[in-house]
Amino acid sequence: RKEVEQDPGPFNVPEGATVAFNCTYSNSASQSFFWYRQDCRKEPKLLMSVYSSGNEDGRFTAQLNRASQYISLLIRDSKLSDSATYLCVVNMGYGNKLVFGAGTILRVKS
Amino acid sequence: ETGVTQSPTHLIKTRGQQVTLRCSSQSGHNTVSWYQQALGQGPQFIFQYYREEENGRGNFPPRFSGLQFPNYSSELNVNALELDDSALYLCASSFQGAGPDEQYFGPGTRLTVT
Repeated sequence: RKEVEQDPGPFNVPEGATVAFNCTYSNSASQSFFWYRQDCRKEPKLLMSVYSSGNEDGRFTAQLNRASQYISLLIRDSKLSDSATYLCVVNMGYGNKLVFGAGTILRVKS
Repeated sequence: ETGVTQSPTHLIKTRGQQVTLRCSSQSGHNTVSWYQQALGQGPQFIFQYYREEENGRGNFPPRFSGLQFPNYSSELNVNALELDDSALYLCASSFQGAGPDEQYFGPGTRLTVT
């Protein structure tokens, strides 16, 4: 079983749609969680950290369910500029190792 | 921009050669992590340096080695290059302290091994 698993997509959605990505992780001792976005042939950019209480940043909402070892990202009112690969990232708590999922591709179309 | 820089941007090497990649961390950050990203995959953790010492290592062979300097910049060295080492090499800087370990990536070095 992979340490961090994501649906690879692609998710093809129209502008204005709401889209949700899910991610599961294997290590229950994991300490911190993030979503990064990566544009084609560019570096990953931190989108948001994910807190136990859930957190929101504008159109983006992240949720963490420690009992189910599950993280989600919700994007509301999708824009063309949201098209990217979204990476679920978990700090496994040993050696400060960040483990990345393979990413979910989002394509927003007009 | 994150303020993390990497050099060179692109590099072509032949199998068996050695390569050194460089990274300058963001101002105020004391930790550098290195990742390898193959096409279509998420980044894979190679190792992390904190206060000039290795502070965690992923599943990479010893021919992958690194250094961190007193100004927190870092180098990744790869010996005896193999074709499978062709990838995007990313460094990320962070500050080790209280709070989540948010890491900020440089633009990467794209290495091609022929």
